[in-house]
Amino acid sequence: RKEVEQDPGPFNVPEGATVAFNCTYSNSASQSFFWYRQDCRKEPKLLMSVYSSGNEDGRFTAQLNRASQYISLLIRDSKLSDSATYLCVTPTGFQKLVFGTGTRLLVSP
Amino acid sequence: EPEVTQTPSHQVTQMGQEVILRCVPISNHLYFYWYRQILGQKVEFLVSFYNNEISEKSEIFDDQFSVERPDGSNFTLKIRSTKLEDSAMYFCASNPGRQELKNIQYFGAGTRLSVL
Repeated sequence: RKEVEQDPGPFNVPEGATVAFNCTYSNSASQSFFWYRQDCRKEPKLLMSVYSSGNEDGRFTAQLNRASQYISLLIRDSKLSDSATYLCVTPTGFQKLVFGTGTRLLVSP
Repeated sequence: EPEVTQTPSHQVTQMGQEVILRCVPISNHLYFYWYRQILGQKVEFLVSFYNNEISEKSEIFDDQFSVERPDGSNFTLKIRSTKLEDSAMYFCASNPGRQELKNIQYFGAGTRLSVL
């Protein structure tokens, strides 16, 4: 089983829509999770951390469900500029980041 | 804002040639990483480097690969004899080594390696 699994999408949504992605992880001992955003042929950029209590940053909300071993990202009021690939990431200490394959989001006018 | 810089942005090479990809991590950062991303695939860890030595490497990082931090500023990835399947984006990243930023890695813009 892959360490981190994501639905590759694409998710096609109109501007203003609410969209949610899930990501499942296999290692129940994993402590930290992140959502990164990657634009086409660009570097991954940290979007937000995922805490057990949930984490909200403007239009973005991240949740962690340890019992079911998944994390989620909710984007409200989608903008055209939200079109990107969203990467689910779990780190292993200082050593490495483990990336999911990413979920592609396309926001249309 | 400080950033990780990578050069060149695009490197074209012939199969069997050696390439060196260069990175300048953020000043005062202590942990350094190389990742690669084959087109259409996920970002994969290659190697981490701390205190002038490799601290972890993946199965991808075989004897054809090496890393160096020759002058306290640059962090390089060398591929000794490139193969077609080495064609990918190579990302350098660094981490400051502070506990509160333990899992945050700052990525460079990447070098696209094309092996012909």
